[in-house]
Amino acid sequence: AQSVAQPEDQVNVAEGNPLTVKCTYSVSGNPYLFWYVQYPNRGLQFLLKYITGDNLVKGSYGFEAEFNKSQTSFHLKKPSALVSDSALYFCAVRDETGGFKTIFGAGTRLFVKA
Amino acid sequence: DAGITQSPRYKITETGRQVTLMCHQTWSHSYMFWYRQDLGHGLRLIYYSAAADITDKGEVPDGYVVSRSKTENFPLTLESATRSQTSVYFCASSDPYRVNYGYTFGSGTRLTVV
Repeated sequence: AQSVAQPEDQVNVAEGNPLTVKCTYSVSGNPYLFWYVQYPNRGLQFLLKYITGDNLVKGSYGFEAEFNKSQTSFHLKKPSALVSDSALYFCAVRDETGGFKTIFGAGTRLFVKA
Repeated sequence: DAGITQSPRYKITETGRQVTLMCHQTWSHSYMFWYRQDLGHGLRLIYYSAAADITDKGEVPDGYVVSRSKTENFPLTLESATRSQTSVYFCASSDPYRVNYGYTFGSGTRLTVV
């Protein structure tokens, strides 16, 4: 069965500093990995995905994520955080052998201080 | 307007009552999903559907019923609401040919069972 772990409930970072939000996964086959962001009282918005190819994928709003197969990780990164990046971030995985459903992590709340 | 619409936005109901949450999408996406969002658990899949009249259980289906008589609608019914079903419910959809490009989510329904 597929699963996703986000080990940090909350990440605090100062504006202008780099940020990392961690994610590890477990799947049977090759993983399809996603990051979503949720702003207050809103639905989730797609940020980026990894399907195959380059281990560093770029997404919306300057975010990127690094896929590491040996560590089964897919950490979300941004070189310079903005206050407006403060939100709830979800990592998600779909297993190529598990049909089309996607499993989400518990979420990590990012606070960016001015 | 094109998009995915959930109704109602907020709902308060009493224990034991039946309540139906509506989800409507205008893209004719084949895949549709219901998730619940709870603190500490992230998003958990309740039910999903590959097409009209095809539905399947997710991680937490107990106490819920779904139907999909039309491609564009995917209502979720709580047959006899319990306090543990107090949650925020999100509907999502995806084109099967673009499922690896992520889901599109509705704005959510905040359900309180008293």
